[in-house]
Amino acid sequence: KAGVTQTPRYLIKTRGQQVTLSCSPISGHRSVSWYQQTPGQGLQFLFEYFSETQRNKGNFPGRFSGRQFSNSRSEMNVSTLELGDSALYLCASSCAGGGDEQFFGPGTRLTVL
Amino acid sequence: AQSVTQLGSHVSVSEGALVLLRCNYSSSVPPYLFWYVQYPNQGLQLLLKYTSAATLVKGINDFEAEFKKSETSFHLTKPSAHMSDAAEYFCAVTRGTGGFKTIFGAGTRLFVKA
Repeated sequence: KAGVTQTPRYLIKTRGQQVTLSCSPISGHRSVSWYQQTPGQGLQFLFEYFSETQRNKGNFPGRFSGRQFSNSRSEMNVSTLELGDSALYLCASSCAGGGDEQFFGPGTRLTVL
Repeated sequence: AQSVTQLGSHVSVSEGALVLLRCNYSSSVPPYLFWYVQYPNQGLQLLLKYTSAATLVKGINDFEAEFKKSETSFHLTKPSAHMSDAAEYFCAVTRGTGGFKTIFGAGTRLFVKA
């Protein structure tokens, strides 16, 4: 089975721009979660999607949004980028969530200048 | 509310020595507990998970962890460290009801000395 893929792997943007990150889960997985990883804050949960519905959301401003498509692929969007949004964004998929193991992608490294 | 505390942001051991990484959690209901490892410039990889089947959980690469409800702990151990174990380790807790939200600890970076 192919693993979780994330595109692009690296992004450089400037303040005020917006960005869309993509995640393709493992085939058959219906749950996709997004995390932000920074040296200062560690791994923080952004949101989780299951069958095209957002099931859980972390404590991030509305500039962070996401969606999931019928094939379980997911995108997250960050609008009006700020310097503090520079981070590694990780996507993880699992069969159905709950106690299922999450499989992580390699991440997208976003740098905001 | 769930939370995870990993004691020690950095741990250094000699090759062949015991590895002990500490994790304490708080959860109002029995949780699912996980240990993940992250190598530089990579995503996270699951080492092991606790889902109430057994208190002593064995994972990959000879890692294991013991769930102790009375101490709300889920410490990770490995009898003999290898150089290849140098990485960052994350303890995580999730509840399996009403959705799926995983809280990660701050991480412990393991250094292995030759």
